[in-house]
Amino acid sequence: AQRVTQPEKLLSVFKGAPVELKCNYSYSGSPELFWYVQYSRQRLQLLLRHISRESIKGFTADLNKGETSFHLKKPFAQEEDSAMYYCALSRYNTDKLIFGTGTRLQVFP
Amino acid sequence: KAGVTQTPRYLIKTRGQQVTLSCSPISGHRSVSWYQQTPGQGLQFLFEYFSETQRNKGNFPGRFSGRQFSNSRSEMNVSTLELGDSALYLCASSYLGEQFFGPGTRLTVL
Repeated sequence: AQRVTQPEKLLSVFKGAPVELKCNYSYSGSPELFWYVQYSRQRLQLLLRHISRESIKGFTADLNKGETSFHLKKPFAQEEDSAMYYCALSRYNTDKLIFGTGTRLQVFP
Repeated sequence: KAGVTQTPRYLIKTRGQQVTLSCSPISGHRSVSWYQQTPGQGLQFLFEYFSETQRNKGNFPGRFSGRQFSNSRSEMNVSTLELGDSALYLCASSYLGEQFFGPGTRLTVL
């Protein structure tokens, strides 16, 4: 079965602290992995995808096929990072996204 | 470019009625997907359309249907509404594998 697991509903950190949002997946095949973010009163938007291997807003995520994980990391959290983060997967050449349940990141000053 | 637009933004219906939601993708995008978002189930995939053809369908009952027009605009229809259909319905258009989401239509079923 295809599944994305985000074990933390809420993650609270202070500004400047490192952040790691966990994401594990199960999929028979080679999926494409994404992180989407939803800031307060804004639309869901793509943060990064594993095939681009980019760092966006200081966030990085490495696909670990052995551990079937795609954790999102940032070395120094900022208050503006406070948002809802969703990990998602899709099969190549389709747009069907399977989302995790999301993790709310709160960054305190 | 204008973003993905969805109409209406809010809807209130009663059980047993039917509803049609509309989505206009970003110009040039040929793929449109629909998702249902609820507090209990999170974001769940409904359908994916590409060039007027349904390419994928999620695990929803047959009351949920959709279509895509030649201009890539898409509609989804829910018939015989149930209380559990109350949700935020999101539409996304896609380009090179990146999905761009609309603001959603919030459907309340009374």
